[in-house]
Amino acid sequence: GAVVSQHPSWVICKSGTSVKIECRSLDFQATTMFWYRQFPKQSLMLMATSNEGSKATYEQGVEKDKFLINHASLTLSTLTVTSAHPEDSSFYICSARDRGNPSGRADEQFFGPGTRLTVL
Amino acid sequence: AQKVTQAQTEISVVEKEDVTLDCVYETRDTTYYLFWYKQPPSGELVFLIRRNSFDEQNEISGRYSWNFQKSTSSFNFTITASQVVDSAVYFCALSELKGYSTLTFGKGTMLLVSP
Repeated sequence: GAVVSQHPSWVICKSGTSVKIECRSLDFQATTMFWYRQFPKQSLMLMATSNEGSKATYEQGVEKDKFLINHASLTLSTLTVTSAHPEDSSFYICSARDRGNPSGRADEQFFGPGTRLTVL
Repeated sequence: AQKVTQAQTEISVVEKEDVTLDCVYETRDTTYYLFWYKQPPSGELVFLIRRNSFDEQNEISGRYSWNFQKSTSSFNFTITASQVVDSAVYFCALSELKGYSTLTFGKGTMLLVSP
């Protein structure tokens, strides 16, 4: 249980185009999903916290108009990188928190496999 | 503000050696969770352990063991008899037990185990 998927697993796009990344919780409902960015040989940096049915909360320094987050259902959040540039090339990882909060999973985040974005 | 420090950037060992990865954290909260994750070259994060701040008991799981010392704000991770498959980046992380319980990650320690 507690599986989170991401699609696509990797994407290459031209500079100036927009790219959408999906994050799905497959076997549980997630009221909260998180988006992280990881540059090569660096740590995971939280970009934003996404709550179902409301606006995302962005971390300082993350442009909300560039990184559009939509959390339309309890099992799906999307991150759209608008007008992507080479400096946006990174590994994007989502995580989801189980709404059901069964024993042992309180406050636990389940991570997706990540999406590697390369902007040419 | 929360902070997690993994002072070891990279560690190289030979197979069968024991290795300890250090983690020191800072938080103003009295209740929190500590985590260790493994990130192999594929990139997917693998959950290893979660420890509640109220539980200072050390834990052992196979070749893995964790030493939680609240007095020194440390949560160190030891791999006994390391294997080549243990080669990965290991992240220590801290989470509050309030709000969105966001995770703060350390910078990670790359472990290289050679045959």
